[in-house]
Amino acid sequence: GENVEQHPSTLSVQEGDSAVIKCTYSDSASNYFPWYKQELGKRPQLIIDIRSNVGEKKDQRIAVTLNKTAKHFSLHITETQPEDSAVYFCAAMYSSASKIIFGSGTRLSIRP
Amino acid sequence: DAGVTQSPTHLIKTRGQQVTLRCSPKSGHDTVSWYQQALGQGPQFIFQYYEEEERQRGNFPDRFSGHQFPNYSSELNVNALLLGDSALYLCASSIPTGDYGYTFGSGTRLTVV
Repeated sequence: GENVEQHPSTLSVQEGDSAVIKCTYSDSASNYFPWYKQELGKRPQLIIDIRSNVGEKKDQRIAVTLNKTAKHFSLHITETQPEDSAVYFCAAMYSSASKIIFGSGTRLSIRP
Repeated sequence: DAGVTQSPTHLIKTRGQQVTLRCSPKSGHDTVSWYQQALGQGPQFIFQYYEEEERQRGNFPDRFSGHQFPNYSSELNVNALLLGDSALYLCASSIPTGDYGYTFGSGTRLTVV
């Protein structure tokens, strides 16, 4: 069935260092991969996304890579800051009308 | 402002009771999806409504039902509440074609005691 696996479940990095979160998906029909940031008690917020016809996308300190052959995609955050501390979810969709399949989340903590 | 409005924000119910949660989508959006997020987990898809009909459904029992009104707003109903139904219930609105942009509401925190 449809599934998105996410690793690691927790991640602690020194402020200024980089953080990497990795996901794999099972449905080869998936063609859109959003990443959400969720702060405690708040709704998920879209931070970056990538479509299947693109291998990499960058937005300031955040970048996402996609390997369709391996069904892997990753989130990279550089020069981490305290406000990056949150839970991050990867997700996959196969059409704009489809449901979002979420990963299990990564709790990112930035050490001062 | 997310544009998606959910009510109430918090709710406490007793096991066996019934609950109704409400969602108003972002202006211009006609599709509403509901997700359940248990503590420490990712959101799980419950169902999606479009044109007042349930279009997709996740792996949830029939105790979970919904409705969409002509103005695109939606309700999620849960009958015979169980302790395990305690979760954050998120509503997300979108348009069905051409744009993958989902907008999430702030959620309703349901506690079943």
